[in-house]
Amino acid sequence: GNSVTQMEGPVTLSEEAFLTINCTYTATGYPSLFWYVQYPGEGLQLLLKATKADDKGSNKGFEATYRKETTSFHLEKGSVQVSDSAVYFCALDSGGGADGLTFGKGTHLIIQP
Amino acid sequence: GAGVSQTPSNKVTEKGKYVELRCDPISGHTALYWYRQSLGQGPEFLIYFQGTGAADDSGLPNDRFFAVRPEGSVSTLKIQRTERGDSAVYLCASSLLRGRTDTQYFGPGTRLTVL
Repeated sequence: GNSVTQMEGPVTLSEEAFLTINCTYTATGYPSLFWYVQYPGEGLQLLLKATKADDKGSNKGFEATYRKETTSFHLEKGSVQVSDSAVYFCALDSGGGADGLTFGKGTHLIIQP
Repeated sequence: GAGVSQTPSNKVTEKGKYVELRCDPISGHTALYWYRQSLGQGPEFLIYFQGTGAADDSGLPNDRFFAVRPEGSVSTLKIQRTERGDSAVYLCASSLLRGRTDTQYFGPGTRLTVL
């Protein structure tokens, strides 16, 4: 079956630090990969996505590259801000109408001023 | 435009009671999904509708859980004989179509607490 593994949190960084949140996956077929973000008190929002190998998704200064050879989709940002504090979820969708999205457990990111 | 809405935002009930949770998807979206998120975990898939029919209910934990979407828009998740282990946030999402590249848009969730 499908599964997503992401680094455990919380991850605490200082403002303007470089961010990496690791995500690896196991899936049948050729899934699409997603990063969703949940800000305090808000619902899940799509941050970025990539639908095929070597695609790079990017949004709000975040980016992630779909690496089929290492089955990874690591999230990166060059300079984080306090407003990036949130819970980040890596997810995959193998399509075919089955199972919906498969999510990782989430990584709580805390940015200190 | 309006996003996915869910009501109620919070529901507290007693063990053994019946509850209904409602989801209004984005207008025009044909696919609708229900997920359950326990504390400290990612959302887990429950059921998916394409139009009015449940195309995949493989994630429903047992026969106490049931969902309908009679007119292909609003959906209701129904839980009978609630148990304390049912306490979680129930999320609804919708997408324009059902395909692996389609983005699912999530509602704010209903927090269910079973006492």
